[in-house]
Amino acid sequence: QKEVEQNSGPLSVPEGAIASLNCTYSDRGSQSFFWYRQYSGKSPELIMFIYSNGDKEDGRFTAQLNKASQYVSLLIRDSQPSDSATYLCAVKLGNTPLVFGKGTRLSVIA
Amino acid sequence: GAVVSQHPSWVICKSGTSVKIECRSLDFQATTMFWYRQFPKQSLMLMATSNEGSKATYEQGVEKDKFLINHASLTLSTLTVTSAHPEDSSFYICSARESGGYGYTFGSGTRLTVV
Repeated sequence: QKEVEQNSGPLSVPEGAIASLNCTYSDRGSQSFFWYRQYSGKSPELIMFIYSNGDKEDGRFTAQLNKASQYVSLLIRDSQPSDSATYLCAVKLGNTPLVFGKGTRLSVIA
Repeated sequence: GAVVSQHPSWVICKSGTSVKIECRSLDFQATTMFWYRQFPKQSLMLMATSNEGSKATYEQGVEKDKFLINHASLTLSTLTVTSAHPEDSSFYICSARESGGYGYTFGSGTRLTVV
């Protein structure tokens, strides 16, 4: 059974700090990894995806993937209060649907 | 980018009635769409995979006779909650992926309240 684990939080960081969100997955054959942001009462929106080991940067966001450790993380630099949301990690294996973690609630304190 | 439109955004219905939710891919064709349900403070749970022109694939524990899915065209999938009960109250979200793309785009979601 595929599982995606995330710390539910809340993770509180001061404005301007780096927020680090972590995710582990159980299926070693997983191929693609996604980070979504979900504001309360809204549907998830894609932040970025990664499928190769290493780092991938997009603006203030950096995704890090370590397949050997079955670990993927999301770093948010210069955190803003508007970044306060629940961040969902999702994993994909082949053509199967995405499997989501329960999400980490991030709170950026002004 | 790919846009998925979902309607209605919220609906209140009486117990025992049926509700239809529409999911449209606006600027791309989606042979496959996914339907999720999310209870408060919970993660998204996949209910079913909707395939254009064929029967949907339901996840274990999801009643196919209660949650009817129709994917009659490459741009439209519908989810009908039949004989709704208060325990069906939830946030229903559809998702689709543009062919050749990596990311899955979500609709705006439908907040269903059964009274």
